[in-house]
This record gives sequence, C-alpha cells and structure tokens, in this order.
Amino acid sequence: NAGVMQNPRHLVRRRGQEARLRCSPMKGHSHVYWYRQLPEEGLKFMVYLQKENIIDESGMPKERFSAEFPKEGPSILRIQQVVRGDSAAYFCASSPVGGVSTDTQYFGPGTRLTVL
Amino acid sequence: GENVEQHPSTLSVQEGDSAVIKCTYSDSASNYFPWYKQELGKGPQLIIDIRSNVGEKKDQRIAVTLNKTAKHFSLHITETQPEDSAVYFCAALYNFNKFYFGSGTKLNVKP
Repeated sequence: NAGVMQNPRHLVRRRGQEARLRCSPMKGHSHVYWYRQLPEEGLKFMVYLQKENIIDESGMPKERFSAEFPKEGPSILRIQQVVRGDSAAYFCASSPVGGVSTDTQYFGPGTRLTVL
Repeated sequence: GENVEQHPSTLSVQEGDSAVIKCTYSDSASNYFPWYKQELGKGPQLIIDIRSNVGEKKDQRIAVTLNKTAKHFSLHITETQPEDSAVYFCAALYNFNKFYFGSGTKLNVKP
C-alpha cells in the first residue's frame, strides 16, 4: 500500500526556467493539497484540489504558480519563470473520500527545489 | 484566517525524560488538531491527532491534550528515546480542509 508519491525528489532550475512537480496521492484518496516549506519554517498551505477541480487556491501566489489534478494521472504544481525565492521544499498531501477521517492528511516525501 | 503558535522552538531533553510541546490556535471553529513528526530530508509523518469532542488521546508513549476553552493543545512524549529526535509540527484545521501549521519544535533527545 504505497503512500503519497512525489517526483522528482530534487529539482534544480536556473532563474527563468519552469519547474514541474508531480504528486500521486495514496490509493483511494482523491483530495490533494500542496504546501511549501522554507528552511527552518513550518508548512504553508498553497492549494487544495480534487479531481479536475481547484477547491481552494488562496495560498498560492497569483502569478507564475498553477496547479492541476486531472482525471487521469498525478497532480502537477507548475512554477513558471522561477526566481531564487521559489527555492523551498514542496510537499503534497492527500486525504480520503468519505468516512470518518476525510480531514486526515498524509504527506509525501517532498520535492526540494533549488533555483540557481 | 487561522493562526497557530507553537512553543518552544527548540527543546533538549535527556533520554528517558518527558517532552512537552504546546500550541495555541485562534479560530474557535477549528475542530481537528494533528501532530506531525518530520525527520531531516523527509516529509511530515502523522503521529497522533485529536478532535474537539475529546480532551485527551494517548498512543503508547505519546499523548495529546486539548483545551477548547483556552484554545490550546499539547503534545506529550514520555520516556523519550534518541529516535524521537526530530522536528514536530502541530496543526489546526481551518475551513474544513485547510491546515495551518505551527512553526515547529526541534526536539533533541540526548543519550
């Protein structure tokens, strides 16, 4: 029973390039959340998605950032024209549909983005 | 929006001693409070959680207490072991599906 999968685990980009981060939720989960963690800080909510729907993107910067969770395939967090300040660890979490614990979130191992 | 404060930011204990980490939250509508353990280079791992209809929950050496009136909750680790050394985060659920996290407590258990 695989947990939340994220890839790549490490990503290096030069300023101005695009970064694509992928997340496959746990089996049976159709809610996906993205968080950003700066060094020595807590996790900051970015976006909450269900299949083919963005439910809450209040934590996502208005420009350069976008997220999707298509009907088939993983969720993608896309950062266009990266800047040094985008360097961080990006974590994906998923939660199940229905049942008592629909609000329990399980995290993936993260993608560490470094912008040179 | 929600605001979660966590203290202390670092905690050093001797192996076998107890460790207590405290969090306060601001949104009285929050009703779910998980605790996560994060080891270096890894994702947060859920270790225990509590819902607002109970005041305390225990799982072996780990316990969590919740005071809804005062809007604070605490993590208690007894008989600490070196492998408990990690960063611990508290979180409060806001608006049904959004978590706000505390800033983390770096726990160091000295052998």
